[in-house]
Amino acid sequence: GDSVTQMEGPVTLSEEAFLTINCTYTATGYPSLFWYVQYPGEGLQLLLKATKADDKGSNKGFEATYRKETTSFHLEKGSVQVSDSAVYFCALSDRSNAGNMLTFGGGTRLMVKP
Amino acid sequence: DTGVSQDPRHKITKRGQNVTFRCDPISEHNRLYWYRQTLGQGPEFLTYFQNEAQLEKSRLLSDRFSAERPKGSFSTLEIQRTEQGDSAMYLCASSPGQGANTEAFFGQGTRLTVV
Repeated sequence: GDSVTQMEGPVTLSEEAFLTINCTYTATGYPSLFWYVQYPGEGLQLLLKATKADDKGSNKGFEATYRKETTSFHLEKGSVQVSDSAVYFCALSDRSNAGNMLTFGGGTRLMVKP
Repeated sequence: DTGVSQDPRHKITKRGQNVTFRCDPISEHNRLYWYRQTLGQGPEFLTYFQNEAQLEKSRLLSDRFSAERPKGSFSTLEIQRTEQGDSAMYLCASSPGQGANTEAFFGQGTRLTVV
């Protein structure tokens, strides 16, 4: 079945540091890939997405590139802020499944210190 | 539109009791999903509706769980004879339609604690 593996946290960085959160996936079909973010006390929000190989999703300074050859979708940001502290979830939606439900990774907590 | 709304936000119940959660999706979103998230884990799919039809259920959804979406608008998730293992955050999401590119919008969840 489909699965998503992402690096365990917590990841602790100083403000303005470079961020990478690794994500790899296994899918039977040709998935769309997503990063969701969960800020403290809030619901999951879509951060960015990519629907085909070599697509780059970007939003709020974050970006991730759909790498089919390595089955990866790593999240990066050049300079993190304290307000980026949250839990980040990598997810896929397998287009072979009519319901388009999401399969999530375990989440990575990011803590940014001033 | 205020987004996906879930009620209650928190529920504490004794083992063996029944509980019911409600989800109000974004208006005109015809797909509605239920997920369960345990502490430190990512959300896991439970079931989804296309309008009022429940089209798929995960093997995680035991016989004690039932979900409805009677008029294709709000949905309820009921857990009968709760067990301590049911303690989790129950998330509802809605999306406007078909297609793997369609964004799912999540509610803030209902946190269930079974004591």
